[in-house]
Amino acid sequence: QKEVEQNSGPLSVPEGAIASLNCTYSDRGSQSFFWYRQYSGKSPELIMSIYSNGDKEDGRFTAQLNKASQYVSLLIRDSQPSDSATYLCAVNKAAGNKLTFGGGTRVLVKP
Amino acid sequence: NAGVTQTPKFQVLKTGQSMTLQCAQDMNHNSMYWYRQDPGMGLRLIYYSASEGTTDKGEVPNGYNVSRLNKREFSLRLESAAPSQTSVYFCASSENVPGGRPLHFGNGTRLTVT
Repeated sequence: QKEVEQNSGPLSVPEGAIASLNCTYSDRGSQSFFWYRQYSGKSPELIMSIYSNGDKEDGRFTAQLNKASQYVSLLIRDSQPSDSATYLCAVNKAAGNKLTFGGGTRVLVKP
Repeated sequence: NAGVTQTPKFQVLKTGQSMTLQCAQDMNHNSMYWYRQDPGMGLRLIYYSASEGTTDKGEVPNGYNVSRLNKREFSLRLESAAPSQTSVYFCASSENVPGGRPLHFGNGTRLTVT
């Protein structure tokens, strides 16, 4: 079992729809969780951080964390073609500030 | 504000050659990291430095060495490059606080070993 797992996609969504991305992790002691967006040929860009159970909203993005079920999700509302990218889930394990990344979910937003 | 700066952006090496990837950050972060990214493998941690003067192995350290030159700079050295080290290399930095903080990435170095 991988430490951080994501569906590789591609997740195809029509413009204006909601994109829903999921991530599961294995270390129950993980403390902090991050979503990065990565355009092809570019470096990862932080879009959301979440540290406690529940929802966190920032603009069109909502991150949801459920530590009991060991998953974190990302919702992208009103999806735009510019949201087409790979979304990386990253988890900070209990010991030290080292992030473990999932393989990423590729999202395609079709006009 | 430059953030995290990596050099070079592109490099082609022949098998057995050596090179050093340079990384510098101007955010006054204590922790610095080197990751590699391969298709289908995601980002994998090579080495990290929690603070100036300390370095530790990550998930895939074989074939690499690092130097934390000072608080700003963290270099990655390939002593004898192999085709398996063809990858995109990212340097990152973060604050070092309990509970964790996000990483800030450089623009990457695309390395090809022939």
